[in-house]
Amino acid sequence: KNEVEQSPQNLTAQEGEFITINCSYSVGISALHWLQQHPGGGIVSLFMLSSGKKKHGRLIATINIQEKHSSLHITASHPRDSAVYICAVRHNTDKLIFGTGTRLQVFP
Amino acid sequence: GAGVSQSPSNKVTEKGKDVELRCDPISGHTALYWYRQSLGQGLEFLIYFQGNSAPDKSGLPSDRFSAERTGGSVSTLTIQRTQQEDSAVYLCASSSRPDEQYFGPGTRLTVT
Repeated sequence: KNEVEQSPQNLTAQEGEFITINCSYSVGISALHWLQQHPGGGIVSLFMLSSGKKKHGRLIATINIQEKHSSLHITASHPRDSAVYICAVRHNTDKLIFGTGTRLQVFP
Repeated sequence: GAGVSQSPSNKVTEKGKDVELRCDPISGHTALYWYRQSLGQGLEFLIYFQGNSAPDKSGLPSDRFSAERTGGSVSTLTIQRTQQEDSAVYLCASSSRPDEQYFGPGTRLTVT
Protein backbone atom coordinates (compact mmCIF):
# COMPACT_ATOMS: atom_id res chain seq x y z
CA LYS A 1 0.00 0.00 0.00
CA ASN A 2 1.37 3.41 -0.97
CA GLU A 3 1.98 5.88 1.81
CA VAL A 4 0.16 8.55 -0.22
CA GLU A 5 -3.02 7.63 -2.07
CA GLN A 6 -4.92 9.84 -4.46
CA SER A 7 -8.39 9.53 -5.90
CA PRO A 8 -9.63 9.48 -8.49
CA GLN A 9 -6.77 8.41 -10.76
CA ASN A 10 -8.50 9.93 -13.78
CA LEU A 11 -11.13 12.61 -13.91
CA THR A 12 -12.98 14.21 -16.77
CA ALA A 13 -15.16 17.26 -16.43
CA GLN A 14 -17.07 19.77 -18.48
CA GLU A 15 -15.94 23.34 -18.41
CA GLY A 16 -17.44 25.15 -15.43
CA GLU A 17 -17.78 22.10 -13.19
CA PHE A 18 -16.56 22.03 -9.60
CA ILE A 19 -13.77 19.49 -9.20
CA THR A 20 -12.45 17.71 -6.13
CA ILE A 21 -9.30 15.61 -5.92
CA ASN A 22 -8.58 13.70 -2.75
CA CYS A 23 -5.37 12.69 -1.04
CA SER A 24 -4.97 10.36 1.93
CA TYR A 25 -1.72 9.51 3.64
CA SER A 26 -0.66 7.00 6.24
CA VAL A 27 2.47 8.59 7.73
CA GLY A 28 3.04 11.49 10.08
CA ILE A 29 3.76 14.59 8.10
CA SER A 30 5.06 18.09 8.63
CA ALA A 31 3.42 19.45 5.48
CA LEU A 32 1.48 18.47 2.39
CA HIS A 33 2.03 19.84 -1.10
CA TRP A 34 -0.21 19.96 -4.13
CA LEU A 35 1.65 20.05 -7.43
CA GLN A 36 0.46 20.49 -11.00
CA GLN A 37 2.19 18.79 -13.91
CA HIS A 38 1.27 19.97 -17.38
CA PRO A 39 1.35 17.72 -20.45
CA GLY A 40 4.78 19.08 -21.36
CA GLY A 41 6.06 17.71 -18.07
CA GLY A 42 6.73 20.93 -16.18
CA ILE A 43 5.82 20.84 -12.51
CA VAL A 44 4.46 23.79 -10.59
CA SER A 45 3.95 23.91 -6.85
CA LEU A 46 0.38 25.01 -6.11
CA PHE A 47 0.07 24.84 -2.34
CA MET A 48 1.88 23.85 0.80
CA LEU A 49 -0.39 23.10 3.76
CA SER A 50 0.23 22.15 7.34
CA SER A 51 -3.27 22.90 8.59
CA GLY A 52 -6.59 24.38 7.57
CA LYS A 53 -7.31 25.78 4.17
CA LYS A 54 -5.63 27.86 1.47
CA LYS A 55 -7.11 29.58 -1.56
CA HIS A 56 -5.44 30.86 -4.68
CA GLY A 57 -7.71 32.07 -7.43
CA ARG A 58 -10.03 29.23 -8.39
CA LEU A 59 -8.02 26.67 -6.44
CA ILE A 60 -8.74 25.73 -2.84
CA ALA A 61 -6.78 23.22 -0.77
CA THR A 62 -7.83 21.84 2.58
CA ILE A 63 -6.20 19.48 5.02
CA ASN A 64 -7.46 17.52 8.01
CA ILE A 65 -4.44 16.44 10.01
CA GLN A 66 -6.44 14.16 12.35
CA GLU A 67 -7.99 12.28 9.43
CA LYS A 68 -4.76 12.38 7.36
CA HIS A 69 -6.66 13.69 4.38
CA SER A 70 -6.42 16.62 2.00
CA SER A 71 -8.57 17.81 -0.85
CA LEU A 72 -7.85 20.05 -3.81
CA HIS A 73 -10.86 21.83 -5.27
CA ILE A 74 -11.11 23.67 -8.56
CA THR A 75 -14.07 25.98 -8.99
CA ALA A 76 -15.41 26.94 -12.43
CA SER A 77 -13.03 24.52 -14.15
CA HIS A 78 -11.50 25.44 -17.48
CA PRO A 79 -9.76 23.41 -20.21
CA ARG A 80 -6.46 25.01 -19.24
CA ASP A 81 -6.79 23.28 -15.84
CA SER A 82 -6.18 19.98 -17.64
CA ALA A 83 -3.08 18.50 -16.06
CA VAL A 84 -1.91 15.88 -13.61
CA TYR A 85 -2.37 16.95 -10.00
CA ILE A 86 0.03 15.40 -7.54
CA CYS A 87 -0.22 15.26 -3.77
CA ALA A 88 3.07 15.00 -1.90
CA VAL A 89 3.82 14.86 1.81
CA ARG A 90 6.85 15.88 3.76
CA HIS A 91 7.71 13.13 6.23
CA ASN A 92 10.57 13.47 8.75
CA THR A 93 12.90 15.31 6.41
CA ASP A 94 12.39 17.76 3.60
CA LYS A 95 12.15 15.05 0.96
CA LEU A 96 8.71 14.47 -0.49
CA ILE A 97 6.70 11.28 -0.81
CA PHE A 98 4.42 11.50 -3.81
CA GLY A 99 1.01 10.17 -4.69
CA THR A 100 0.57 8.68 -8.13
CA GLY A 101 -1.32 11.70 -9.38
CA THR A 102 -4.77 12.46 -10.71
CA ARG A 103 -5.09 13.10 -14.42
CA LEU A 104 -7.71 15.78 -15.02
CA GLN A 105 -9.20 16.58 -18.39
CA VAL A 106 -11.62 19.47 -18.70
CA PHE A 107 -13.58 19.64 -21.94
CA PRO A 108 -15.08 22.80 -23.34
CA GLY B 1 14.81 35.59 -12.45
CA ALA B 2 16.14 32.34 -13.84
CA GLY B 3 14.52 29.16 -12.67
CA VAL B 4 15.96 25.70 -12.21
CA SER B 5 17.59 24.48 -15.39
CA GLN B 6 18.54 20.96 -16.38
CA SER B 7 20.61 19.55 -19.17
CA PRO B 8 20.35 17.79 -21.44
CA SER B 9 16.61 17.97 -21.99
CA ASN B 10 16.69 14.61 -23.74
CA LYS B 11 19.28 11.86 -23.64
CA VAL B 12 19.26 8.58 -25.52
CA THR B 13 21.93 6.12 -24.53
CA GLU B 14 22.78 2.51 -25.10
CA LYS B 15 22.39 -0.02 -22.34
CA GLY B 16 25.60 -0.31 -20.34
CA LYS B 17 26.82 3.23 -20.97
CA ASP B 18 27.25 5.84 -18.24
CA VAL B 19 25.27 9.08 -18.29
CA GLU B 20 25.53 12.39 -16.45
CA LEU B 21 22.57 14.64 -15.88
CA ARG B 22 23.07 18.22 -14.76
CA CYS B 23 20.99 20.52 -12.60
CA ASP B 24 21.52 24.24 -12.11
CA PRO B 25 19.44 25.35 -9.13
CA ILE B 26 18.11 28.80 -8.49
CA SER B 27 20.92 30.97 -7.17
CA GLY B 28 21.01 31.04 -3.40
CA HIS B 29 18.86 27.97 -2.89
CA THR B 30 20.51 25.79 -0.29
CA ALA B 31 18.43 22.68 -0.88
CA LEU B 32 18.53 20.57 -4.04
CA TYR B 33 16.50 17.46 -4.80
CA TRP B 34 16.58 14.82 -7.51
CA TYR B 35 13.43 12.90 -8.39
CA ARG B 36 12.58 10.32 -11.03
CA GLN B 37 9.34 9.79 -12.90
CA SER B 38 9.20 6.51 -14.76
CA LEU B 39 6.67 6.02 -17.55
CA GLY B 40 3.23 5.55 -16.05
CA GLN B 41 4.60 5.87 -12.53
CA GLY B 42 4.51 8.59 -9.93
CA LEU B 43 7.40 10.72 -8.84
CA GLU B 44 10.06 9.03 -6.78
CA PHE B 45 12.58 10.72 -4.49
CA LEU B 46 16.23 9.93 -5.26
CA ILE B 47 18.57 12.20 -3.29
CA TYR B 48 18.53 15.46 -1.33
CA PHE B 49 21.30 17.97 -0.65
CA GLN B 50 20.97 20.59 2.07
CA GLY B 51 23.78 23.08 2.45
CA ASN B 52 26.98 21.45 3.64
CA SER B 53 25.24 18.53 5.31
CA ALA B 54 25.75 14.97 4.18
CA PRO B 55 23.22 14.23 1.41
CA ASP B 56 20.20 12.05 2.02
CA LYS B 57 20.77 9.24 -0.46
CA SER B 58 17.99 7.01 0.81
CA GLY B 59 16.07 7.09 -2.47
CA LEU B 60 18.84 6.01 -4.81
CA PRO B 61 17.67 2.70 -6.33
CA SER B 62 21.08 1.07 -6.68
CA ASP B 63 24.80 1.70 -6.33
CA ARG B 64 24.90 2.54 -10.04
CA PHE B 65 23.34 5.87 -9.11
CA SER B 66 25.35 8.67 -7.52
CA ALA B 67 25.10 12.43 -7.29
CA GLU B 68 27.36 15.29 -6.41
CA ARG B 69 26.76 18.91 -5.65
CA THR B 70 29.81 21.06 -6.21
CA GLY B 71 30.28 24.33 -4.38
CA GLY B 72 26.76 24.16 -3.04
CA SER B 73 25.35 24.95 -6.45
CA VAL B 74 25.36 22.77 -9.57
CA SER B 75 24.52 19.10 -9.14
CA THR B 76 25.30 16.14 -11.34
CA LEU B 77 23.40 12.86 -11.21
CA THR B 78 25.44 10.00 -12.63
CA ILE B 79 24.05 6.66 -13.69
CA GLN B 80 26.64 4.00 -14.42
CA ARG B 81 26.07 0.99 -16.65
CA THR B 82 22.59 2.14 -17.58
CA GLN B 83 19.76 -0.37 -17.78
CA GLN B 84 16.48 -0.11 -19.66
CA GLU B 85 14.57 0.30 -16.39
CA ASP B 86 16.53 3.52 -15.82
CA SER B 87 14.51 5.13 -18.62
CA ALA B 88 12.54 7.93 -17.00
CA VAL B 89 12.28 11.67 -16.64
CA TYR B 90 14.74 12.88 -14.05
CA LEU B 91 13.61 16.03 -12.28
CA CYS B 92 15.61 18.39 -10.17
CA ALA B 93 14.16 20.87 -7.69
CA SER B 94 15.67 23.51 -5.46
CA SER B 95 14.40 25.51 -2.54
CA SER B 96 15.40 28.11 -0.01
CA ARG B 97 12.74 27.05 2.45
CA PRO B 98 10.89 23.79 3.06
CA ASP B 99 7.46 24.95 1.96
CA GLU B 100 8.47 25.61 -1.62
CA GLN B 101 10.26 23.53 -4.19
CA TYR B 102 10.93 24.88 -7.64
CA PHE B 103 11.15 22.18 -10.25
CA GLY B 104 13.30 22.13 -13.34
CA PRO B 105 11.99 20.98 -16.74
CA GLY B 106 13.50 17.54 -16.38
CA THR B 107 15.78 15.35 -18.45
CA ARG B 108 14.11 12.57 -20.40
CA LEU B 109 16.46 9.58 -20.40
CA THR B 110 15.88 6.73 -22.80
CA VAL B 111 18.05 3.64 -22.53
CA THR B 112 17.95 1.47 -25.64
